[in-house]
Amino acid sequence: RKEVEQDPGPFNVPEGATVAFNCTYSNSASQSFFWYRQDCRKEPKLLMSVYSSGNEDGRFTAQLNRASQYISLLIRDSKLSDSATYLCVVPNQAGTALIFGKGTTLSVSS
Amino acid sequence: DADVTQTPRNRITKTGKRIMLECSQTKGHDRMYWYRQDPGLGLRLIYYSFDVKDINKGEISDGYSVSRQAQAKFSLSLESAIPNQTALYFCATSDWTGDGYTFGSGTRLTVV
Repeated sequence: RKEVEQDPGPFNVPEGATVAFNCTYSNSASQSFFWYRQDCRKEPKLLMSVYSSGNEDGRFTAQLNRASQYISLLIRDSKLSDSATYLCVVPNQAGTALIFGKGTTLSVSS
Repeated sequence: DADVTQTPRNRITKTGKRIMLECSQTKGHDRMYWYRQDPGLGLRLIYYSFDVKDINKGEISDGYSVSRQAQAKFSLSLESAIPNQTALYFCATSDWTGDGYTFGSGTRLTVV
């Protein structure tokens, strides 16, 4: 299994839709997980941190399944402004740096 | 002012030239990182530093070197640039937990 693996998409959804992204990771010892958002040609920005089974922030919910080693990000009531690439991020095996997935692209249309 | 500042924002250089990318931060973080991003490959770690006297190679350090001049400054050098080093380069910082990176705006480097 790769260190971090994501479905690249693109996911094309209408405004108001609910969309979910999945991510699998290989380091079973990881204790922290992250979702970053990256707009085209811009720097990644932290969207959510996940340290236990999950986290919720408004329309965004992240869930962690340690047994299956996957993390999901659910976006409810999609907005045009949610269009971006979403990066799944986990610590490397040594715990010295973060490993970034290649990203899942979301396009929300009106 | 931005918490993490990268200079230059864009640079075009010729094959074989030496180039330095600079990063400075006002976050007060000890940990600093250099990543490169290529289409389809995501972000890959080049070097990282946990303090001024600590330098570590990342996944793809060949062809690169770094210098941690101060807690707030971490520069990346390409000693002899080659075209496959054309990429978007990001500097990032974090506190001692290593979580929640703050990124600079990136340097778009083109080697011709």
